[in-house]
Amino acid sequence: AQKITQTQPGMFVQEKEAVTLDCTYDTSDQSYGLFWYKQPSSGEMIFLIYQGSYDEQNATEGRYSLNFQKARKSANLVISASQLGDSAMYFCAMREASGGSYIPTFGRGTSLIVHP
Amino acid sequence: DAGVIQSPRHEVTEMGQEVTLRCKPISGHDYLFWYRQTMMRGLELLIYFNNNVPIDDSGMPEDRFSAKMPNASFSTLKIQPSEPRDSAVYFCASSFDGRVLDTQYFGPGTRLTVL
Repeated sequence: AQKITQTQPGMFVQEKEAVTLDCTYDTSDQSYGLFWYKQPSSGEMIFLIYQGSYDEQNATEGRYSLNFQKARKSANLVISASQLGDSAMYFCAMREASGGSYIPTFGRGTSLIVHP
Repeated sequence: DAGVIQSPRHEVTEMGQEVTLRCKPISGHDYLFWYRQTMMRGLELLIYFNNNVPIDDSGMPEDRFSAKMPNASFSTLKIQPSEPRDSAVYFCASSFDGRVLDTQYFGPGTRLTVL
């Protein structure tokens, strides 16, 4: 079974509107971290935001927020007031504490295109 | 502070040649990771180091791939001999202590093309 699932291969949004990118995860651990990365067409992987499994508040970082629903095992990324520069691939990742290795697992990504 | 530095940014080589990719992690980070990204397989972890010691190399495709970390500020990923199926973007990433909430920071990647 996949540990990280991003079901939306592609998303389109109008500039200045909000968009939600979905991420569901699978783990039996109590302690884990969830991360989102942005990969623009230039290719670099840019860290955006993270959420710890014990955090009760949803993480926010500027226009990015993480809608964390623990019972549903979802960690959706919300981008408010989309900008043209937000067009990119977005990857969800998880780090688990089991086994002591903390190796992150990445989803296959969602391509976001922001229209003017 | 400087981020993760990788070189070269682009590499084009012919099948059978040796390729060496280089990485300088963020100063103070104890963990270093090598990833490969392709359209078909997504982002794959090849190997990671803790304090310069290789911990898990189960993702290394085959014996043609080798990685070293001679000191805390330098690592190499070598492919010898290279094959066209090795064409991919190779990322190096580093993190502070490797724990659950520890963030990985990626380098800009090396785009490798093997003809």
